[in-house]
This record gives sequence, C-alpha cells and structure tokens, in this order.
Amino acid sequence: GDSVTQMEGPVTLSEEAFLTINCTYTATGYPSLFWYVQYPGEGLQLLLKATKADDKGSNKGFEATYRKETTSFHLEKGSVQVSDSAVYFCALRKAAGNKLTFGGGTRVLVKP
Amino acid sequence: GAGVSQTPSNKVTEKGKYVELRCDPISGHTALYWYRQSLGQGPEFLIYFQGTGAADDSGLPNDRFFAVRPEGSVSTLKIQRTERGDSAVYLCASSPLEADYGYTFGSGTRLTVV
Repeated sequence: GDSVTQMEGPVTLSEEAFLTINCTYTATGYPSLFWYVQYPGEGLQLLLKATKADDKGSNKGFEATYRKETTSFHLEKGSVQVSDSAVYFCALRKAAGNKLTFGGGTRVLVKP
Repeated sequence: GAGVSQTPSNKVTEKGKYVELRCDPISGHTALYWYRQSLGQGPEFLIYFQGTGAADDSGLPNDRFFAVRPEGSVSTLKIQRTERGDSAVYLCASSPLEADYGYTFGSGTRLTVV
C-alpha cells in the first residue's frame, strides 16, 4: 500500500541554521505531495504542495521539490527562526483519491 | 464559519462507554474527512464524506466506529464500547470539491479512555 517515510526527530537547530527534513514515499502512479506543519497547541496547517514531478512548492521560506526518480519530497529552509519550532508532516494523495497518507512527523526545535 | 470547528476539544470517558465527536466544516466545503492521530504518530485516515454520503470508509478500524453527515454539513463520529486503545486525537478536515487546494484541519478532539 501507499506509505510515507520521514526522518525521525527531534531535530534541534540554532537560529539561522539550514534545515532539511527528508521524506520519501511509496505509491503507484503520480500522487500529489504535501507538507503540513503543526505548531504547539495548534491544528495541522498546509505548508506547501506539489502536484506533479519536478514541481517545487514554496511558502514562508520553505521549499520542497517533487522528485519522481527518487520518490522524494524533502523539505528545506535556508535560515530557520525560533518560530519555526513545530512538528512537520509529509503526506501524499493519490491521483484517483482524496484521502491523505501521512508520515510519522518530524519534530523541529530551533534554539535562539 | 471561518475554520473547521471540533467539539469537544477534550473528552474523557470510561472504558465501555459511548462517545460522539462533532465536526463543523467550513461553509461550502463539500468534502469532509476524519483522521485519528495517536501520540507521536502521523494522522491516519478513517473516513471521507462527499456531501451526505461516505465515499470511503476503509479506514474505520472496526464496527464500533461509525460516522454520519446527514445534511452534508456537520458530521458526527460515533464510537461504541470505547476501549483504552481508542485514546487519540481525532481530527476533522474539510475541503472544496477539488482536494488539491488542500484540506483545512480542525484543532481536534483529544479522547482519553480510562
């Protein structure tokens, strides 16, 4: 079946450091890919998405590129802030469906 | 409303009891989803409604779980004979017909079965 694998956390960084969170997926066909973020005490929010191979999603300084050849959708940010401390979830949605399949989440802690 | 509203935000119940969790989606969103998030894990799909009908209920773990959306708006997730393993955060999300716009999630109901 479909699955999403993320690097395990927690990831602890200093402010202004470079962040990468790895995400790989298993699915047939060409799924849409998403990153969701869950800030402390808040609900899941869509961070960015990509719907086809080589698409780049971006938002709030975060970027992720849909790589079909490596079945990956790694999240990156060049300079993190304390306010980026959150749990990040990678997810996919198959072309013919509506449900999301999530990875296990990666907790990121940014220290001043 | 402006967002997806879930009530109650917290629910503590005794093992064996019946519980109902409510979701009020964004006005005009035809699709509604229920997910379950256990501690330290990603959300797991339970059921998806398109309008009033359950288009996909393949994620419901067993027949103790049931969900309805009688008028195509508010949805209720019902759990019978609760077990301690049902303890989790139950998330509701809604989206326009075209799901590539992305879902909007509610803040969830934290269910604790004691």
